[in-house]
Amino acid sequence: DGGITQSPKYLFRKEGQNVTLSCEQNLNHDAMYWYRQDPGQGLRLIYYSQIVNDFQKGDIAEGYSVSREKKESFPLTVTSAQKNPTAFYLCASSAGARSRTEAFFGQGTRLTVV
Amino acid sequence: GIQVEQSPPDLILQEGANSTLRCNFSDSVNNLQWFHQNPWGQLINLFYIPSGTKQNGRLSATTVATERYSLLYISSSQTTDSGVYFCAARPPDTGRRALTFGSGTRLQVQP
Repeated sequence: DGGITQSPKYLFRKEGQNVTLSCEQNLNHDAMYWYRQDPGQGLRLIYYSQIVNDFQKGDIAEGYSVSREKKESFPLTVTSAQKNPTAFYLCASSAGARSRTEAFFGQGTRLTVV
Repeated sequence: GIQVEQSPPDLILQEGANSTLRCNFSDSVNNLQWFHQNPWGQLINLFYIPSGTKQNGRLSATTVATERYSLLYISSSQTTDSGVYFCAARPPDTGRRALTFGSGTRLQVQP
């Protein structure tokens, strides 16, 4: 069935390591997004992509990197430059880059730095 | 960019009570969505409502785009309604093309 799949559900990282979070969608959506949520807070935009091979920085892009080589995939790499990476990461997609389209979310990845 | 404010930040209800959650936004919008975040963190889509009124069971929502606010109504609340409710908005196709979220309303429904 169609949807957005994030993996892994839980991820533990040692300080100084890069980690990559996976986000795959089979909804044939053009646009994909990454958000970060800290405990008790709302969601903040990290990066978004409106089309393959194109992406834009959001509000908190420092210490993160993305790629969009395939329409269905938008992986997020949390680099060692991200000072406080422990958070809940949510991936979303929408049918088009235009604003009048509903966004849907995956189940999230909880990243903990140990 | 667009600012999204939600009120109240916290709400405690007895089962069976009704409630109204408010979302104010600072700019015109082409997309306004309400979500419920469940205890496992997943965001459940409740309404896509850039304008007008929609109803889904005990929940309904109204967006008055000209006055830049949206309301989410929960009637006959149940304990399963507990969680965090988020409003998110996106302006017309200029500037940043992604939803901006409010800080949420944390709802606790007591039996």
